[in-house]
Amino acid sequence: DVKVTQSSRYLVKRTGEKVFLECVQDMDHENMFWYRQDPGLGLRLIYFSYDVKMKEKGDIPEGYSVSREKKERFSLILESASTNQTSMYLCASSIRDRVRPEQYFGPGTRLTVT
Amino acid sequence: KNEVEQSPQNLTAQEGEFITINCSYSVGISALHWLQQHPGGGIVSLFMLSSGKKKHGRLIATINIQEKHSSLHITASHPRDSAVYICAVRGRGSTLGRLYFGRGTQLTVWP
Repeated sequence: DVKVTQSSRYLVKRTGEKVFLECVQDMDHENMFWYRQDPGLGLRLIYFSYDVKMKEKGDIPEGYSVSREKKERFSLILESASTNQTSMYLCASSIRDRVRPEQYFGPGTRLTVT
Repeated sequence: KNEVEQSPQNLTAQEGEFITINCSYSVGISALHWLQQHPGGGIVSLFMLSSGKKKHGRLIATINIQEKHSSLHITASHPRDSAVYICAVRGRGSTLGRLYFGRGTQLTVWP
C-alpha cells in the first residue's frame, strides 16, 4: 500500500513564526503536491514538484515556499505565518505516468495561526 | 471560474435513500476522479473514470465525455456514507498528474 505521511495532524503557531510542514511518501513517486483546503473553496494547489529539486507554483503560492532535497520528502514552508494561513494542509503524491494518474493523499495537517 | 463545478454543495438524506452528486467540467480531460473525505481529513480515491460507468458495492460512477459531465450515485445510503465527496479531473496530456478539483459535496445521511 502507498503511504503518505505528514509530520503533524494538528499544529498551532503564532503570527510571524516560520513553519515547516513535512510530507514523506514511501512509493518512489516522482510527483508530489501541497494543497490547502478551506470551507467552501475546496482543495487549492500551492506548489508541486515533479522531481528532486524541481518545483512549480500552483494556484496560490504567495506566502509559501517548498523544498524537495530527496525524492521521498516534500516540505512546505511558511516563512512568516499569518492568520489567513490557518487552514487544512494536505500533501499528495503520484507516479509520473499517463495511464495511472491517481494521487495518494496524506492525512492532513490542521494549522492554526494565532 | 472553476474548471470543475459540483452540485449540490450540501446534501442531507435519510438512510436508504438514493443519492446523486453531479460534476461538470470545462476542460479536456484524460481522467476524472471521485474522492471521499471523512471527518479528520484523509482523502481516499473511490473511482477513476475515462469513459462509461464503474460500480463498487453501493457506489456507481458514470461519465459522459461529450457532455463533460459525471455523476456519483449511492444506492441504499447509510450513515457511514456521510463524508465530503470531491470530483477532480486530470487535464489531457498531463504527465505531471496535476488535478483540478471541485469544491466538494458535504453529504449527511441520517439514520
